[in-house]
Amino acid sequence: QVQLVESGGGVVQPGRSLRLSCAASGFTFFTYGMHWVRQAPGKGLEWVALIWNDGTNENYADSVKGRFTISRDNSRNTLYLQMNSLRAEDTAVYYCARFPGGTYHFEYWGQGTLVTVSS
Amino acid sequence: QSALTQPASVSGSPGQSITISCTGTSSDVGTYNLVSWYQHHPGEAPKLMIYEGSKRPSGVSNRFSGSKSGNTASLTISGLQAEDEADYYCCSYADSGTWVFGGGTKLTVL
Repeated sequence: QVQLVESGGGVVQPGRSLRLSCAASGFTFFTYGMHWVRQAPGKGLEWVALIWNDGTNENYADSVKGRFTISRDNSRNTLYLQMNSLRAEDTAVYYCARFPGGTYHFEYWGQGTLVTVSS
Repeated sequence: QSALTQPASVSGSPGQSITISCTGTSSDVGTYNLVSWYQHHPGEAPKLMIYEGSKRPSGVSNRFSGSKSGNTASLTISGLQAEDEADYYCCSYADSGTWVFGGGTKLTVL
C-alpha cells in the first residue's frame, strides 16, 4: 500500500541546518509531484514547498523562500527538504504529501516528523 | 498569503448535519475552483476528504460534501458519527502557484 515515511526531525539550534527525508513506497514515485506541509504546535497547517514529479519545477512559501530547498531522488524514491538558517518559528511537524500531475490537492500524506528549533 | 478563515469549532449530535465554512479572497477561493478539505486526527496523517470543491476521493463516505459560493467554500457532514470527530482544514490553490490553508475547525460530536 502507499506509504510516505518522514524522517530527519529533531532538536536544532537557531541558525543551524537540518535535512528532512520522505521515503515513498507502494506507488510509482516518479509519476507524482510532492509537497511539504508543516504544522506548528497548536496551529493550523501551512504549505511549505512543492516539486514536480521530474524535479523541473519547484515553489516555496514566502516564509521559507531563500532558506529551504526541496529536492527529490527518483532513483531512491525519496523526497528531501534542506532547511537552512532555522528560526524558532520553523518549529513544527513536517509532513510530505503527494499530488498527481495536473491536480492541486494533497492526495496522500505521511505521518510527519517533528522539528524543534531551540537553543 | 493570509490563511483562509474557518470557525474554530463546531459541534453536533450523532445523526445531525453540520457545515464548516472557509472564507478566502479573490486571490484564492474566489478565483480557483480548487478548494480541498482534510480530516486530521491529531497524531495521524491528514486525510483528503474533498477536492476541486466538491469531488470525493474513492473510499470517502458520501456523507461528506463540498460546495462554494463566491469567496466562501463549505464542507457539510451529514449523519454525524462519533468517528467524524477531528480537526478539519480547508485549502485553496492561490495566485503565484502557492497554496493557503484555513486555520482549522475542531469538530466535536456530542
